[in-house]
Amino acid sequence: ILNVEQSPQSLHVQEGDSTNFTCSFPSSNFYALHWYRWETAKSPEALFVMTLNGDEKKKGRISATLNTKEGYSYLYIKGSQPEDSATYLCAHSKAAGNKLTFGGGTRVLVKP
Amino acid sequence: EPEVTQTPSHQVTQMGQEVILRCVPISNHLYFYWYRQILGQKVEFLVSFYNNEISEKSEIFDDQFSVERPDGSNFTLKIRSTKLEDSAMYFCASSEGLGGNYNEQFFGPGTRLTVL
Repeated sequence: ILNVEQSPQSLHVQEGDSTNFTCSFPSSNFYALHWYRWETAKSPEALFVMTLNGDEKKKGRISATLNTKEGYSYLYIKGSQPEDSATYLCAHSKAAGNKLTFGGGTRVLVKP
Repeated sequence: EPEVTQTPSHQVTQMGQEVILRCVPISNHLYFYWYRQILGQKVEFLVSFYNNEISEKSEIFDDQFSVERPDGSNFTLKIRSTKLEDSAMYFCASSEGLGGNYNEQFFGPGTRLTVL
């Protein structure tokens, strides 16, 4: 994998349902994997910074896992709520202070 | 809670004109970045700035672009002669530095640049 890719591009979720989506990234020269939540007209909000293989992080109903050997991360939303509607971006960095390389995002729409 | 701010939120300009996009990073941060997102495309890196000089830049960041930290708070991106293809959302970001939470970067809300 040469680029950061996210799938699916978009998904619709019924309120109360759980969902997950994927970020794949180059497994070589890995330093950190970042997840952001981005609502239109607002700043992308940092959710997680993940560095260790097997790492799991949680923030409320949102959690993420990391596999650096195979180059993927999953983001999970448990019991989706309308306020979870946003674009979720992942980004990869190769070193401290280094640029972030972004995936295309997964746009999540939670229907009441 | 400290945040990155950007002005203006929306800038409309004529092709060939110069624009300056302004950012105020979080006050104790040492690394500063500009990214942009052209509509329908990925967010892409433009430039990073540390210790009053460019630390990394992308192929996009050609001679038409420049960055400056004119005082202790502002960080600006100048486009000397705008082109239609410069139309995008421009994001400023900052991070604490090498020791800070694995390069966690905090983003501003963006400036939407429209070149006519």
